[in-house]
Amino acid sequence: GDSVTQMEGPVTLSEEAFLTINCTYTATGYPSLFWYVQYPGEGLQLLLKATKADDKGSNKGFEATYRKETTSFHLEKGSVQVSDSAVYFCALYNTDKLIFGTGTRLQVFP
Amino acid sequence: GAGVSQTPSNKVTEKGKYVELRCDPISGHTALYWYRQSLGQGPEFLIYFQGTGAADDSGLPNDRFFAVRPEGSVSTLKIQRTERGDSAVYLCASSLGLAGVYEQYFGPGTRLTVT
Repeated sequence: GDSVTQMEGPVTLSEEAFLTINCTYTATGYPSLFWYVQYPGEGLQLLLKATKADDKGSNKGFEATYRKETTSFHLEKGSVQVSDSAVYFCALYNTDKLIFGTGTRLQVFP
Repeated sequence: GAGVSQTPSNKVTEKGKYVELRCDPISGHTALYWYRQSLGQGPEFLIYFQGTGAADDSGLPNDRFFAVRPEGSVSTLKIQRTERGDSAVYLCASSLGLAGVYEQYFGPGTRLTVT
């Protein structure tokens, strides 16, 4: 069945460092891909999405490119801030449901 | 405007008891989803409603779990004969339509603990 695999955390960075969180997927057909974020004490929020191959989703300085050839959707940010500390979930949408990865906790220190 | 709300925020129950978890979606959202999130895991799909009907209930783990949405708005997730393995955060999300096209808005969740 469809599945999402993302790197285990926690990822610990200093402020202004470059961030990459890896995500790969297995799916039949052509799923849409998403990154969701969960800030401490808050609910899940959509961060960005891409609906077809080579699309780039971007929001709040984060980017991810839908790579069909490598079945990947890695999340990147050029310069993280303390306020980016959260849990990040990669997800795919296929046949009417979202399938999530296990989440990666990001901790950014000043 | 108001977001998705879920009640109660926390529920502690004894093994074998019956529980009901409530979700109030954003007004006008026709699609409603239930997920279960165990500790250290991502949300796991349970059931999807389009209007009043369950369009996909393939994620419900067994027949102890049941969900309704009688008027196409509020939804209730019902768990019979609770087991310790049912302990998790139960999330509700709503959207204007299918999740692949329209953004899903998540509620804060109900943390269920079965003792």
